[in-house]
Amino acid sequence: SAVISQKPSRDICQRGTSLTIQCQVDSQVTMMFWYRQQPGQSLTLIATANQGSEATYESGFVIDKFPISRPNLTFSTLTVSNMSPEDSSIYLCSVERTGGSGANVLTFGAGSRLTVL
Amino acid sequence: AQSVAQPEDQVNVAEGNPLTVKCTYSVSGNPYLFWYVQYPNRGLQFLLKYITGDNLVKGSYGFEAEFNKSQTSFHLKKPSALVSDSALYFCAVRPRSGSARQLTFGSGTQLTVLP
Repeated sequence: SAVISQKPSRDICQRGTSLTIQCQVDSQVTMMFWYRQQPGQSLTLIATANQGSEATYESGFVIDKFPISRPNLTFSTLTVSNMSPEDSSIYLCSVERTGGSGANVLTFGAGSRLTVL
Repeated sequence: AQSVAQPEDQVNVAEGNPLTVKCTYSVSGNPYLFWYVQYPNRGLQFLLKYITGDNLVKGSYGFEAEFNKSQTSFHLKKPSALVSDSALYFCAVRPRSGSARQLTFGSGTQLTVLP
């Protein structure tokens, strides 16, 4: 299965600033997924990052707040813009395995834990 | 709309005892069902999945889950719990005809195995 590297692993940010999270996959993938896990909550899909086209955002998430880049098939970034304390969460990058017994399974990065003061 | 319910926020079990983490779901058609585990300060790790076939699915670390269509449940089980099994467990569902975008996670169950 794919190996995903995410950075930063954690950060403490000031209100009103922006932070970019990077996600690097060790193999080429068509779609990359960005999730948010708020404290004590489940995972919520923010958007799907497609190479060569704009990201697809889920209800409640907008590009101005969470701009995403996908410059190639192994890399994506998620920016959390104009942060407020409500943005304090773990942000997770994920890709879907394809083929064989691993089909339909998501592989996750270790996550980026953001704390906004 | 599809949904996943994990009725227990917290499950405590003594080491060596069997454990069950409950999951029920609501989705149109036949679903794909998954269990993931999250250890502290880690991302989610895949445990097992039900796609088709035998209703009893065996996964990593000795875990298994039983798909029960009539009860729309997919409870996670292990015959003998280990302290190292203590973690946050998520059930997830997606429609068979859907894409990964349509994966819905439950609220999670914190499992604590007591020595």
